[in-house]
Amino acid sequence: DGGITQSPKYLFRKEGQNVTLSCEQNLNHDAMYWYRQDPGQGLRLIYYSQIVNDFQKGDIAEGYSVSREKKESFPLTVTSAQKNPTAFYLCASSKAGRGSEQYFGPGTRLTVT
Amino acid sequence: KQEVTQIPAALSVPEGENLVLNCSFTDSAIYNLQWFRQDPGKGLTSLLLIQSSQREQTSGRLNASLDKSSGRSTLYIAASQPGDSATYLCAVPGGDNFNKFYFGSGTKLNVKP
Repeated sequence: DGGITQSPKYLFRKEGQNVTLSCEQNLNHDAMYWYRQDPGQGLRLIYYSQIVNDFQKGDIAEGYSVSREKKESFPLTVTSAQKNPTAFYLCASSKAGRGSEQYFGPGTRLTVT
Repeated sequence: KQEVTQIPAALSVPEGENLVLNCSFTDSAIYNLQWFRQDPGKGLTSLLLIQSSQREQTSGRLNASLDKSSGRSTLYIAASQPGDSATYLCAVPGGDNFNKFYFGSGTKLNVKP
């Protein structure tokens, strides 16, 4: 079955610690995305990557970092510089090309105390 | 920057009713528009993608319409069922190469048995 996996489903961290969220896809998609969702709000784009070894900042990239060393993988690191990291994080992928249909993973809920 | 608005934020209807969810966007130069469903604590499931050249797209009991000139899309759900209860989000691609997606905050639908 093709799809997107995110792990872990729930993640708890102490303030001041960096944490890395995993996203893997086997859809052979070129593009991958990270979004953040806060309660009652829509999704906000953190980073996106159109091709391996290249990525761009989205609207709320401060305090986050990514890498794209493999086509299948797009990990997101939430650094201690992110002021309010507690949120639901969603990874998505799509084929290359303008406005291609996006497919989403199940999400990771991060709680920082 | 593209802004996407969904009204109402929440909707409660009895089972069997036909209903309409609304999505509006500020920049009419869109490539397409995608409707998603999100169950509590889960990722997004793609329902329909309607191209800018289309006026309607149908899948089962769902029908999405698009009016680019007025910056509006509607999602029509026929004969609603309790299983339709979820949050429905719309998204449009934007940015230099339509590689960034902008989401509405969603409409939370409750279908009462």
